[in-house]
Amino acid sequence: SQQGEEDPQALSIQEGENATMNCSYKTSINNLQWYRQNSGRGLVHLILIRSNEREKHSGRLRVTLDTSKKSSSLLITASRAADTASYFCATDPSGYSTLTFGKGTMLLVSP
Amino acid sequence: ETGVTQSPTHLIKTRGQQVTLRCSSQSGHNTVSWYQQALGQGPQFIFQYYREEENGRGNFPPRFSGLQFPNYSSELNVNALELDDSALYLCASSQSGAGNNEQFFGPGTRLTVL
Repeated sequence: SQQGEEDPQALSIQEGENATMNCSYKTSINNLQWYRQNSGRGLVHLILIRSNEREKHSGRLRVTLDTSKKSSSLLITASRAADTASYFCATDPSGYSTLTFGKGTMLLVSP
Repeated sequence: ETGVTQSPTHLIKTRGQQVTLRCSSQSGHNTVSWYQQALGQGPQFIFQYYREEENGRGNFPPRFSGLQFPNYSSELNVNALELDDSALYLCASSQSGAGNNEQFFGPGTRLTVL
């Protein structure tokens, strides 16, 4: 079963714009992670945020976590065509890396 | 490139057959997890191996089984294949106890069951 649900399912923007993706989950977590996947291939880890953290930055990525609302958001600033991919949130309830993924958001960045 | 490799890249089987997928972990990693990703869905956790022992299992039937070897490489075996087993199978390696829980994914094996 899918624990996380990303919103929107698909997002189309122009290069230079910001992209925001949201994730909601159902049960308590140790941490939440965001991954990127190109064309149905392997996933690339983007960022991990622990349950006691509220915000984290990595380059052009900003992740927030609200455990009271069981939700997270991923912001990609100044998007590039190369950011075109599917983005998944994944929750880790125990800290042992047995991840539960959402269905993902497909991001299309047009030049 | 994550350093995690999987073989084969693609595989076509018929219903009822058995399949073995292989994964080589990133150097220094002692934990391997397997995921199934159906088309248009997120990956679903199958099971995890730590130091050659199963360390957690998702909602998959017993015909999905695995092994982890002393060099931490791993196999996923699926018996009595069904059409719904058609999916991308991903393995991910990590270093248990590293504290950051980051998993490194291989490129996947795409299995088609006819």
